[in-house]
Amino acid sequence: QVHLVQSGAEVKKPGASVKVSCKASGYTFSNYAINWVRQAPGQRLEWMGWINAGKGNTKYSQRFQGRVTITRDTSANITYMELSSLRSEDTAVYYCARDGYNYGSMGDYYYMDVWGKGTTVTVSS
Amino acid sequence: DIQLTQSPSFLSASVGDRVTITCRASQGVSNYLAWYQQKPGKAPKVLIYAASTLLSGVPSRFSGSGSGTEFTLTISSLQPEDFATYYCQQLNSYPRTFGQGTKVEIK
Repeated sequence: QVHLVQSGAEVKKPGASVKVSCKASGYTFSNYAINWVRQAPGQRLEWMGWINAGKGNTKYSQRFQGRVTITRDTSANITYMELSSLRSEDTAVYYCARDGYNYGSMGDYYYMDVWGKGTTVTVSS
Repeated sequence: DIQLTQSPSFLSASVGDRVTITCRASQGVSNYLAWYQQKPGKAPKVLIYAASTLLSGVPSRFSGSGSGTEFTLTISSLQPEDFATYYCQQLNSYPRTFGQGTKVEIK
């Protein structure tokens, strides 16, 4: 069975960094990209960025450009999301989600088909 | 960035009701749109991709339609397990934005 298992909750002070991990199992890690999505309390889902687990190339939302770094360790099937210069507004649940895909004659379609359970990051002085 | 606006943001309905949620994009996204269901304290679950293609295992009472800038998610006969928040997401361009969500509650 396909699973994404995330690291545990974190409490950080403003200005610090946090690094959240996401371990994949049950599928060929390098065949899929992994997205990072966050959700602040009572807010909508917010896409932060994506890494192609095979090639290692990344794409980030401009909103987080310069503060977020997504990396992967192919030997351990783990993806990491590091967010720096934390502020109170970064308090949220952070999810990793696999990029499912369907390549068809009408187009190449992607969707987030497997999600981790989420990691709560609290930023507070 | 492409903005997605869902309507309504909140709806109250009864078991057995037909429910329709609309998602409007600030610019065309072709049919690169997905719908997700999220229950409190849980991760989202994908229901539909390519605007109208149901994921395997998703009940057939869910359906999606639309292209370009206007999309709908319809639940033909609301079941108790369908009370949740629903989000649309565009995957036509980066950043992959989400709508603000539609919370479906029991009347």
